[in-house]
Amino acid sequence: NAGVTQTPKFQVLKTGQSMTLQCAQDMNHNSMYWYRQDPGMGLRLIYYSASEGTTDKGEVPNGYNVSRLNKREFSLRLESAAPSQTSVYFCASSEWAGAYNEQFFGPGTRLTVL
Amino acid sequence: GESVGLHLPTLSVQEGDNSIINCAYSNSASDYFIWYKQESGKGPQFIIDIRSNMDKRQGQRVTVLLNKTVKHLSLQIAATQPGDSAVYFCAENLNSGGSNYKLTFGKGTLLTVNP
Repeated sequence: NAGVTQTPKFQVLKTGQSMTLQCAQDMNHNSMYWYRQDPGMGLRLIYYSASEGTTDKGEVPNGYNVSRLNKREFSLRLESAAPSQTSVYFCASSEWAGAYNEQFFGPGTRLTVL
Repeated sequence: GESVGLHLPTLSVQEGDNSIINCAYSNSASDYFIWYKQESGKGPQFIIDIRSNMDKRQGQRVTVLLNKTVKHLSLQIAATQPGDSAVYFCAENLNSGGSNYKLTFGKGTLLTVNP
């Protein structure tokens, strides 16, 4: 039981390049989330998927797109990377996007945009 | 601004002492709170949670206290160990519409345990 896995672990992009961050969970959770974490700040929600087939914007969605590929996988895409998107990205999952549901986090992807 | 914040950005304690990390929240409608621990280079890890119908919950060496009157949350770590050194985040679960909820995180407190 690996929990939440993310690939890649590290990535360096040039401004304008695109890439997709992958996330998968093996806990049969319905809800999945993408966060970014910047130095000295807490985690900020980018997008989330309350259940398979649905996605919704979070606090900072601009410049990102997501795909809930199936129940296990939730990807985050940067179409045209900008230096402001340099950050650590975390994927999380929970049984439901409900009132009393703990979120489980992956190890993160460290992205640098030059 | 963020609805969840921390009083102290850093906390340094001696090994064996008790640690107290504080958190303020502003949304009185929040009814579920979680404390996460994040070690360097890793993702956040669940420590303990508490629902708003409780004012105290205990785990292994950790206790969370909730004071709804002043919208304050604290995490107490007993007999702090070097392995407790990490950033600690509180998070509140807010209704984002319909039956969906989203976590809102504070900025975190860096706990350093000195041997």
